[in-house]
Parts: sequence; structure tokens; C-alpha cells
Amino acid sequence: GAVVSQHPSWVICKSGTSVKIECRSLDFQATTMFWYRQFPKQSLMLMATSNEGSKATYEQGVEKDKFLINHASLTLSTLTVTSAHPEDSSFYICSARGGLGEQYFGPGTRLTVT
Amino acid sequence: AQKVTQAQTEISVVEKEDVTLDCVYETRDTTYYLFWYKQPPSGELVFLIRRNSFDEQNEISGRYSWNFQKSTSSFNFTITASQVVDSAVYFCALRAGNTNAGKSTFGDGTTLTVKP
Repeated sequence: GAVVSQHPSWVICKSGTSVKIECRSLDFQATTMFWYRQFPKQSLMLMATSNEGSKATYEQGVEKDKFLINHASLTLSTLTVTSAHPEDSSFYICSARGGLGEQYFGPGTRLTVT
Repeated sequence: AQKVTQAQTEISVVEKEDVTLDCVYETRDTTYYLFWYKQPPSGELVFLIRRNSFDEQNEISGRYSWNFQKSTSSFNFTITASQVVDSAVYFCALRAGNTNAGKSTFGDGTTLTVKP
């Protein structure tokens, strides 16, 4: 089956630094990728939708200058959390949509900002 | 607007009991897809099922079964003879087919604990 990977799986960074999270579709081309955020014991909240080669579409309330999304190829999207603060600590999950509309989720990246 | 409601925040059962997780959805789209995902403690979402709005047939997969009723906008999930390994958070999700294509709306999840 289709596989989506994320790297790193967990990261600890200091407040004020930036962190980049990669999302890759390993055996299919994903024209659309999604980034979700999940706080402990809460649901997944969609942050943005990214289409290959174009700017990401952010959900209301998500700061586009803070959460930079780049979807440079059909198999890679990156999320950069700029100037991270402790409140950005969360579980970030990407998903990729295949050609038939199926949506596959990555294993998630746990970010802790100290 | 889309909305998914999972009224049961937490459910606790004893192994071998049957358990049903409720899911009620709202959408104005006539074409849509419904999903169930399992999220174990590791965090990775595990896809369980997808159902489109034109297919109201119930489905059974091993100990899992799903009851889709458009009349009540519900898509309930039943685990028969539950096992400890079924303990996880279960999410119901809705994705519209025509508008906002590809954007899934998740319910708040139901935490299932199966005790030995």
C-alpha cells in the first residue's frame, strides 16, 4: 500500500529556533498534501493544504509566516516552524492524496519546544 | 460547513465485549466520503474504512463492522469481541467530494480502553 513518511519523527528545539519537518510520499505521486496539528488528547486540526508547485492554502487562524509550507515536488512537502515557541509544541501529521483521491497519513512528528 | 460529532469521549469495556462507537456528521454536499481511523499510542493514524455517500451498504471486516445511515447522518463503528489491542483513539472523518475536495474534517475522537 501507499506509504507516507515523515522526518524527523520527533524533535526537541530551543525557543526561537526554526524546525523543518519533511513529508514524503514513498511510492506514489501526491499532487496535494495536507498538514495537520494535534494537541494532546485532541483531534486533528487542518493547518494547510499544499499543492505541488503552488502556494499553500492556510486554514483560518494559522499564521502563514510562522508555518512555512513548501511543496516543491510531487513526493515532498516541508513544513517549517519558524521562531518556535513552547506553545508550538504539538504533534504534526502530514497526509498525501493520491491520484484516486485516497488520503494517506504519515506517522507524525512530535515537536517539543523548550 | 462540515462537522463530525463523536459524542463518546471515552469508552471502557472488558475484553470480549462488543462496543459501538458513534459518529454523526453534517454536510451540505451530496457527494462525500466518510472514514474511520485508529490512532494507537504511537500516534500513527491507521486507516480502517472509507465509505462514499452513495453506498449505504453496511460493511463487515473481521471483528469490525460499520453501519452507515444517511437518514440519520450516522456512520457508527462496532467492534465485536473486543481485545486489549483494540485500545486506541478512534476518529471518524468526513471529506466532501465536490467542494473543499481533499479536506477532511475530523471528529474529536473516542478513546477506547479494553481491559483484560
